[in-house]
Amino acid sequence: DIQMTQSPSTLSASVGDRVIITCRASQSVSPWLAWHQQKPGKAPKLLIYKVSILQSGVPSRFSGSGSGTEFTLTISSLQPDDFATYYCQQYNSYVSFGPGTKVDIK
Amino acid sequence: EVQLVESGGGLVQPGGSLRLSCAASGFTFSTYWMHWVRQAPGKGLVWVARINGDGSSTYYADSVKGRFTISRDNAKNTLYLQMNRLTGDDTALYYCTRYGMTTSFDYWGQGDLVTVSS
Repeated sequence: DIQMTQSPSTLSASVGDRVIITCRASQSVSPWLAWHQQKPGKAPKLLIYKVSILQSGVPSRFSGSGSGTEFTLTISSLQPDDFATYYCQQYNSYVSFGPGTKVDIK
Repeated sequence: EVQLVESGGGLVQPGGSLRLSCAASGFTFSTYWMHWVRQAPGKGLVWVARINGDGSSTYYADSVKGRFTISRDNAKNTLYLQMNRLTGDDTALYYCTRYGMTTSFDYWGQGDLVTVSS
């Protein structure tokens, strides 16, 4: 099974900050890496798939990059609507999720 | 508009059974693999099971193998999860998700809560 880790587990930031979340896989998963956003009491929402492709309707301030076993999700200028928990997910070999990164208000 | 609506959750005693349903609409259901993903209270997302488009192939997480059965009725556009021998560790919000081969989980239901407790 492929294990996914994320860092940090919690990130405190302010509106307008550049935010970077890192995701690592126990073996190569390229290019089958997605990012999901989840707000409290809501279902997850797909943000990015295949490492860097924005899902339709997702603001361009979100971007994804990486390859092999290391990936990043970047929010270029944090907005009030972006305070949420973010999960990376690999779908190279079956499916597994990272433990999540909670982005909260500094 | 794609919609996934789960139902069938609730309170069940340890050792009991429950069947979740997920009604799909807004897309050609039979052409998509479907998955169940769960989330224990205050915890992260955990993959549970998947089924291919015609229902001929299924796969399960080790934690539910032999106890849970995923199935689908393409005539009714409905996905199911039969859960047997439930334990407290199965307490979670259960999401059905649509899986695109390129996009992965591109649509999620609103989730259905299963609580296993005496």
